[in-house]
Amino acid sequence: TQLLEQSPQFLSIQEGENLTVYCNSSSVFSSLQWYRQEPGEGPVLLVTVVTGGEVKKLKRLTFQFGDARKDSSLHITAAQTGDTGLYLCAGAPRRNNAGNMLTFGGGTRLMVKP
Amino acid sequence: DTGVSQDPRHKITKRGQNVTFRCDPISEHNRLYWYRQTLGQGPEFLTYFQNEAQLEKSRLLSDRFSAERPKGSFSTLEIQRTEQGDSAMYLCASSLVAVVGAGAYITDTQYFGPGTRLTVL
Repeated sequence: TQLLEQSPQFLSIQEGENLTVYCNSSSVFSSLQWYRQEPGEGPVLLVTVVTGGEVKKLKRLTFQFGDARKDSSLHITAAQTGDTGLYLCAGAPRRNNAGNMLTFGGGTRLMVKP
Repeated sequence: DTGVSQDPRHKITKRGQNVTFRCDPISEHNRLYWYRQTLGQGPEFLTYFQNEAQLEKSRLLSDRFSAERPKGSFSTLEIQRTEQGDSAMYLCASSLVAVVGAGAYITDTQYFGPGTRLTVL
């Protein structure tokens, strides 16, 4: 069974601060996705990383996939109140597996205070 | 709006009743997934279809849970004899998968619907 551990579980910061969320596993994933989820809604895709060592930037968000494709991080620069939400990482199994059921981390609940 | 729709958005039922949820995926997507998310947790995989074939159902939580995708388009998830522990958000996702060689697949990203929130009283 592939498991993904996210840390921290909760994060409360002031607007303008930087933060990093971590997603770790002992398993290798063919790709890893980051989602953001608002209360009462489904997860909304932020980014997919596929190559070990890959770095992707989405405005103030920077995503990195570990060299061994076992871990990932999300860094937010100068957080804004609109960044508040639940951040989920999800790993897809190895590419030659016909199934692509995602394994999700437990989530990081971020609150950005004005 | 990702293009995946789910109906109803909310369902309140009494213990012992049957409930059915519907998911309409993005029209050109051939894979459809069902997940369950309990409060404070990440989503948990239940089952998935490629077109109309249900390729994995061992993760369904019990034999009270069943899913169908009869024409390879929309899907339904049914829970029979609901229990209070079934209260959760049920999420549907769809993706586009292409086979590129023997045993090799290129999988597109999964796009989630808004979910159906089930409350069992």
